[in-house]
Amino acid sequence: KAGVTQTPRYLIKTRGQQVTLSCSPISGHRSVSWYQQTPGQGLQFLFEYFSETQRNKGNFPGRFSGRQFSNSRSEMNVSTLELGDSALYLCASSMFTATGLSYEQYFGPGTRLTVT
Amino acid sequence: GESVGLHLPTLSVQEGDNSIINCAYSNSASDYFIWYKQESGKGPQFIIDIRSNMDKRQGQRVTVLLNKTVKHLSLQIAATQPGDSAVYFCAENPRSGGGADGLTFGKGTHLIIQP
Repeated sequence: KAGVTQTPRYLIKTRGQQVTLSCSPISGHRSVSWYQQTPGQGLQFLFEYFSETQRNKGNFPGRFSGRQFSNSRSEMNVSTLELGDSALYLCASSMFTATGLSYEQYFGPGTRLTVT
Repeated sequence: GESVGLHLPTLSVQEGDNSIINCAYSNSASDYFIWYKQESGKGPQFIIDIRSNMDKRQGQRVTVLLNKTVKHLSLQIAATQPGDSAVYFCAENPRSGGGADGLTFGKGTHLIIQP
């Protein structure tokens, strides 16, 4: 079974631009979460989508947004990029088990975003 | 604010020795804890998890211990191998009954294996 895939793997943008990152979850997984990882702040939760609906959101400004499609694939968008947005953006997917949604999250390799 | 943290940013051990990585958490409502391993250039990889109704869980060469009294979590790796070199994160799910939403991660411990 293929793992979580993220595209692109690397991206360089300039301040003020916007960027869209893509995540394809493991087949059968319906929950997709996004995280930002930086050396200073570590791994921080951005938001989580389930069945095309955003269920939870972390403490990030409105410039960070996302969506999920009917096939569970997800995108996140960052508008008006700032230097501080340089980070590794990770996507994780989760599945339902017989007792409900599994807590176990499987991460993709991430997209390394550099803002200059 | 409430968060999950780790005691040491770096831990150096001899190959073949056992490793113990510690983590303190502050949210007593958390009901689920996970250890992840992240190698350079890769995303975090699930190692082992434990629910709050347990105090110990064992996997292959790894054991997680949970002490709810002092809000402490530890990961024990037996017979450490070079392939165990990575950054290890503990994470908690502070939402009881919730699913895979909003994991709170610690800062990470870099495990270095000495030959």
